[in-house]
Amino acid sequence: GIQVEQSPPDLILQEGANSTLRCNFSDSVNNLQWFHQNPWGQLINLFYIPSGTKQNGRLSATTVATERYSLLYISSSQTTDSGVYFCAVCNDYKLSFGAGTTVTVRA
Amino acid sequence: DAGVIQSPRHEVTEMGQEVTLRCKPISGHDYLFWYRQTMMRGLELLIYFNNNVPIDDSGMPEDRFSAKMPNASFSTLKIQPSEPRDSAVYFCASSGTGTGINEQFFGPGTRLTVL
Repeated sequence: GIQVEQSPPDLILQEGANSTLRCNFSDSVNNLQWFHQNPWGQLINLFYIPSGTKQNGRLSATTVATERYSLLYISSSQTTDSGVYFCAVCNDYKLSFGAGTTVTVRA
Repeated sequence: DAGVIQSPRHEVTEMGQEVTLRCKPISGHDYLFWYRQTMMRGLELLIYFNNNVPIDDSGMPEDRFSAKMPNASFSTLKIQPSEPRDSAVYFCASSGTGTGINEQFFGPGTRLTVL
């Protein structure tokens, strides 16, 4: 199956800081999604981004499908950004998840 | 619009008991997925359906697990008999391909504890 690697595994930020999360995948994929799992365990859709760049508020994402990676940018981080960020790639309708990046934003 | 609905949200049972998890996908979605999340294995796909038909059940861990989708608005995941190693959070997700975009949306999950 497709291998999905996320880095870094853990990230501690001071409120207001910017950060970049990376997702590498081992094969061609149909699409890619970024999720935020909040402290209550809910998986929140952030981006559906098979290629190109998208922005939503303080978050943006870029996927370079030909080089098999995606980046998630968090700007001006807030404590509510804490949680686990997952990258998931899709092939034949099946999502394969990375292990996630645990982000802790301190006030 | 209502999102994916799962019930129960929490389930505590004893080893050997039957457990049934339920899912209502987003109306109009034609794909339904069951995932399991554990500390050891992360998020993994168990089975998925297209138009109520099981397409790929290669992720189902063993025969104790079964899933059905009797109609477009309801699916169940059953574990019989349950074992402590089945303790996990089980997520249901759905997606609709009508627009050509296959974005999956997840329910809140069912946290299962088998004692």
